Amino acid sequence: KQEVTQIPAALSVPEGENLVLNCSFTDSAIYNLQWFRQDPGKGLTSLLLIQSSQREQTSGRLNASLDKSSGRSTLYIAASQPGDSATYLCAAPNQAGTALIFGKGTTLSVSS
Amino acid sequence: DGGITQSPKYLFRKEGQNVTLSCEQNLNHDAMYWYRQDPGQGLRLIYYSQIVNDFQKGDIAEGYSVSREKKESFPLTVTSAQKNPTAFYLCASSAGDVMRDTQYFGPGTRLTVL
Repeated sequence: KQEVTQIPAALSVPEGENLVLNCSFTDSAIYNLQWFRQDPGKGLTSLLLIQSSQREQTSGRLNASLDKSSGRSTLYIAASQPGDSATYLCAAPNQAGTALIFGKGTTLSVSS
Repeated sequence: DGGITQSPKYLFRKEGQNVTLSCEQNLNHDAMYWYRQDPGQGLRLIYYSQIVNDFQKGDIAEGYSVSREKKESFPLTVTSAQKNPTAFYLCASSAGDVMRDTQYFGPGTRLTVL
């Protein structure tokens, strides 16, 4: 059964710092991995989807990598801004391919 | 303007009462999902539907029911059998299955039991 873990649960950084958020998964036979952003009291916004055949995906200041052999994905945020403050969740398909399994998220706070 | 709408934004339920949460999408997506989010527990799957007139139980379906009579609509009913329904409920959709396609989420409904 696929399990997804995110550590740490919370992270605080000063504005301008580059940072890495971590996501680990137990089943390396993964089809893809997705990263989402959630603002307080809001729904989830898709940030990046990495297919299993890809090593990384980039969107603006965000770069996500996928290493199936080690069961890890990272989300790199360059030059962090206060507007980046949110909870970041990663998710992978369950083994049946019917829905996503989510990590509990990392809550990021960027101070100005 | 394509997207997913959920209503109401806030909902209050009395003990023993059934309530229905609305989810509508105009993305022409085949698959729709309901998740429950509790503090510190992440998102958990309640029900999913991959096609009209068909739906399947997720990990925590007890006390909930759904219908999928139209492609664009996937309402969730929280019945009195659900003992601890206070949570944030999120509806999502995807064009195809999660092996290939991104899930898009609605803004959520916060349900509180009085």
